[in-house]
Amino acid sequence: DAGVIQSPRHEVTEMGQEVTLRCKPISGHDYLFWYRQTMMRGLELLIYFNNNVPIDDSGMPEDRFSAKMPNASFSTLKIQPSEPRDSAVYFCASSLRASGRTDTQYFGPGTRLTVL
Amino acid sequence: GNSVTQMEGPVTLSEEAFLTINCTYTATGYPSLFWYVQYPGEGLQLLLKATKADDKGSNKGFEATYRKETTSFHLEKGSVQVSDSAVYFCALTGGSYIPTFGRGTSLIVHP
Repeated sequence: DAGVIQSPRHEVTEMGQEVTLRCKPISGHDYLFWYRQTMMRGLELLIYFNNNVPIDDSGMPEDRFSAKMPNASFSTLKIQPSEPRDSAVYFCASSLRASGRTDTQYFGPGTRLTVL
Repeated sequence: GNSVTQMEGPVTLSEEAFLTINCTYTATGYPSLFWYVQYPGEGLQLLLKATKADDKGSNKGFEATYRKETTSFHLEKGSVQVSDSAVYFCALTGGSYIPTFGRGTSLIVHP
């Protein structure tokens, strides 16, 4: 398996523009997570899906952020409009359920977002 | 709720030194415990894991033992290499489907 795939790897945009990040999880995994990583705040969970259904989006910072998972092999995280404070590395991760909990998280390589 | 506390970094060592990175946790029930490693410019990847008390996870010379009595999962390696320089995250899952990560500990190994 190719692992979790994210695109683009780098994104530079200007404040106010719409940004869409994409993720393809590992085939067969039933959980998908979106994280944001910054030096100041560390690794933050934004939202997670189970079988394509959003379960907990309490980590989404504000209404400018939205995420979808239209099918088992694709998810998007959209920021509209973007702001400089959204600059961070965004990771997608997928996992399987095991014994009533999620098992190992498989992370993608991340998208480094810079908002000017 | 669940929480993971790991030692502040950076940890700076010379090559072939002994490494310990402390990790303690708070969780209900019997969580699964993980160590992940993040190399520069990459995503986190699993280093080792343990799913029940007294289990020892090991990989690439790293070891950690699930200690329920002390709620700890300390990471150790007998002889570090420059290539081990990375950020190490302790994590757990249990009680919910949301994993809990520590803040990460940066390891710098000098030749």
